[in-house]
Amino acid sequence: SAVISQKPSRDICQRGTSLTIQCQVDSQVTMMFWYRQQPGQSLTLIATANQGSEATYESGFVIDKFPISRPNLTFSTLTVSNMSPEDSSIYLCSVMDGTDTQYFGPGTRLTVL
Amino acid sequence: TQLLEQSPQFLSIQEGENLTVYCNSSSVFSSLQWYRQEPGEGPVLLVTVVTGGEVKKLKRLTFQFGDARKDSSLHITAAQPGDTGLYLCAGYYTGTASKLTFGTGTRLQVTL
Repeated sequence: SAVISQKPSRDICQRGTSLTIQCQVDSQVTMMFWYRQQPGQSLTLIATANQGSEATYESGFVIDKFPISRPNLTFSTLTVSNMSPEDSSIYLCSVMDGTDTQYFGPGTRLTVL
Repeated sequence: TQLLEQSPQFLSIQEGENLTVYCNSSSVFSSLQWYRQEPGEGPVLLVTVVTGGEVKKLKRLTFQFGDARKDSSLHITAAQPGDTGLYLCAGYYTGTASKLTFGTGTRLQVTL
């Protein structure tokens, strides 16, 4: 299994600003994912972040709004840019092991005022 | 767009009752997973089913994968307050390796 930590755990931000969320894994993994989860709802995949290549974004998500870095096999960041209240959500990172099992971080709860 | 529908969306029951949650899709899964998520935490994997017709048991939880690999169910026997949480099914559709599609979710509340 993998242990994942995220920073910050929560934040309250003003509209128009940006927030960078960090995801740290306790082991080297090839595939990392970023999800968004609106309160009480299911998870929506934002992008897949593989080390050494550009992130792959899902329909409805663009790099200018959600730039992602993946500098090594244990770390990734997701930035939520030019935030609006509609970006208020929980942002989760996850990793996949060799058995196609995904492990999730605790999430970052973002509130945009 | 592939949709994974769960039913019911919300379930409130008393301790000791049984319940079943359903997960349905029009497309075939190569494998399907069930997660439970508690407030303030990320989803935690409960089980993975791969073979059509497969049944897996995890203590009081029974998971079934449909013969056609398009649907699944989670049955909880004698629910306890500790079972409270958001239950999510998630599947890898055939041909979309590594991309996990999540269901709409079922929020379960078990009261004393």
